[in-house]
Amino acid sequence: QQQVKQSPQSLIVQKGGISIINCAYENTAFDYFPWYQQFPGKGPALLIAIRPDVSEKKEGRFTISFNKSAKQFSLHIMDSQPGDSATYFCAASVHQGAQKLVFGQGTRLTINP
Amino acid sequence: DVKVTQSSRYLVKRTGEKVFLECVQDMDHENMFWYRQDPGLGLRLIYFSYDVKMKEKGDIPEGYSVSREKKERFSLILESASTNQTSMYLCASRGANSPLHFGNGTRLTVT
Repeated sequence: QQQVKQSPQSLIVQKGGISIINCAYENTAFDYFPWYQQFPGKGPALLIAIRPDVSEKKEGRFTISFNKSAKQFSLHIMDSQPGDSATYFCAASVHQGAQKLVFGQGTRLTINP
Repeated sequence: DVKVTQSSRYLVKRTGEKVFLECVQDMDHENMFWYRQDPGLGLRLIYFSYDVKMKEKGDIPEGYSVSREKKERFSLILESASTNQTSMYLCASRGANSPLHFGNGTRLTVT
């Protein structure tokens, strides 16, 4: 069963625009929500992560927004750049040290120059 | 910098062959993982190991087995490869309370 649902599957944004990727989860025991970024030919790498005791976390141009009551979280990329073109995965686990990280389906982001 | 190395970048095998995918990490991490990546399905966990000689099934273990004889090495085995196992395979490792570090993947084609 898919415990983390991610949308959209693909996204095209103009340079300088805002990219938004959404994820929804089912398991209310999840309390660690990372985002991974994957460039072609490379493995995914941790981009940013949030725990549910905060509603927002910002690192540079990347922001995670978290809505615990709706069981949703999203990644916002401000001032999107062509170098941000990659596949993005949201994920969730019961705690940060948990063995099993459940991933969303992935979003292929393309930033047009 | 953590390095997770997968021995093959591309692999082509025939149906019914026994296939070994090898993964080595250099950070003395206790935990190692094998995922497969398919378009529209994201990353799905096949097996993981939290110690030498220990293994746990992930979400899609059918048709796969694993071996962890040394802490730094985690092997994924396809006992009898089938065409539905054509996929990108990603190995990852993690220490206690640290993020997953992935290798660059092995693209396996079974014909």
